[in-house]
Amino acid sequence: DGGITQSPKYLFRKEGQNVTLSCEQNLNHDAMYWYRQDPGQGLRLIYYSQIVNDFQKGDIAEGYSVSREKKESFPLTVTSAQKNPTAFYLCASTGRDSYNEQFFGPGTRLTVL
Amino acid sequence: DAKTTQPPSMDCAEGRAANLPCNHSTISGNEYVYWYRQIHSQGPQYIIHGLKNNETNEMASLIITEDRKSSTLILPHATLRDTAVYYCIVRAFFSGGYNKLIFGAGTRLAVHP
Repeated sequence: DGGITQSPKYLFRKEGQNVTLSCEQNLNHDAMYWYRQDPGQGLRLIYYSQIVNDFQKGDIAEGYSVSREKKESFPLTVTSAQKNPTAFYLCASTGRDSYNEQFFGPGTRLTVL
Repeated sequence: DAKTTQPPSMDCAEGRAANLPCNHSTISGNEYVYWYRQIHSQGPQYIIHGLKNNETNEMASLIITEDRKSSTLILPHATLRDTAVYYCIVRAFFSGGYNKLIFGAGTRLAVHP
């Protein structure tokens, strides 16, 4: 089945540690996105990538980094510089024929202790 | 991007139609209206989109007013599984390009027996 995989579903880290969230898609989509969601809030864009080896900052990129070495993969690193990293993180992708319909992964809930 | 306004919450009886309104009075001529929904702790799911004509698919109908300043998402026979947060988003579509979707707080729809 085609889709987007995010792992793990739940992640716990100690304060001050960097952590990398995985996002893989087998939909052959060019564009991929990372969002953050806080309780009771909508999604906010962290980073997005329209093509391999290229990515742009979204609205809340500070304290995060990404890479796009392969079309299928768009990992997100939450660094120690991110002041409030505890949140629900969602990865999405979209293809050329999808009229901006974004397909979302199941999300990773990160808790920093 | 045009701003959208949605009621924070709505109720609907199971089996009845759920009509979710959205105001987008500053929408431009090339901007589409998208609807997504998010069931608790899952990734958002695409429902439908439209430009100026009414649209219908297997999930819902989208009614856009003639002046395009508002729209209504209709779930014709709501079920308990339709309980979710529904997001109305306005975004321009550019052929061959990818654009970010701006998610607001949405409408929390509760379907009750």
